[in-house]
Amino acid sequence: QVQLQQWGAGLLKPSETLSLTCAVYGGSFSGYYWTWIRQPPGKGLEWIGEINHSGSTNYNPSLKSRVTISVDTSKNQFSLKLSSVTAADTAVYYCARNDIVVVSAAMADAFDIWGQGTMVTVSS
Amino acid sequence: SSELTQDPAVSVALGQTVRITCQGDSLRSYYASWYQQKPGQAPVVVIYGKSNRPSGIPDRFSGSSSGNTASLTITGAQAEDEADYYCNSRDSSGNHPVFGGGTKLTVL
Repeated sequence: QVQLQQWGAGLLKPSETLSLTCAVYGGSFSGYYWTWIRQPPGKGLEWIGEINHSGSTNYNPSLKSRVTISVDTSKNQFSLKLSSVTAADTAVYYCARNDIVVVSAAMADAFDIWGQGTMVTVSS
Repeated sequence: SSELTQDPAVSVALGQTVRITCQGDSLRSYYASWYQQKPGQAPVVVIYGKSNRPSGIPDRFSGSSSGNTASLTITGAQAEDEADYYCNSRDSSGNHPVFGGGTKLTVL
């Protein structure tokens, strides 16, 4: 049973850097894209970015200039850094596994395992 | 604004059938996946790919697609199905996952 456990600072001041880590327990680290997704209070889901076990990354264009996702395969962990945070970055941040599937030559994302979520508040 | 459009709210009588839709040009090339989220909880995938249900998801949940519209159908809605539902697919470039704005389902 694969589980994701995440942790990191929950209260930041404007201009600081958000830092979260997600550990993968009980399953393979390779063959998937490891993802960060956030959800502002009362709003919808926003994909932040992803990384695979080789370190190949893919970021949301709207956040790309501030986001870094890294991986530590020796620990089966991946991390998110978001720089220069503002109040607009206040959200629940989730880590998730993307098991991309291909059916009849068409692909679909499948975020099938999620972390418990971390509420990050940006306030002066 | 999202590249995937969902109705903000839908309601259904207990035991009846409801369809939740998701529209976007990328759905002509990529399948949608659907996620159920209850208050205070992480989302759970209920449908992915063409119409695949993960183990543990009741068979009253099904997915379909036609043109630029993907649909999640709940046949015989139960009280426990009351939740927010999000569709997910790709942006117009195909390079990045995107989510719809979400649909709040009320079971009456």
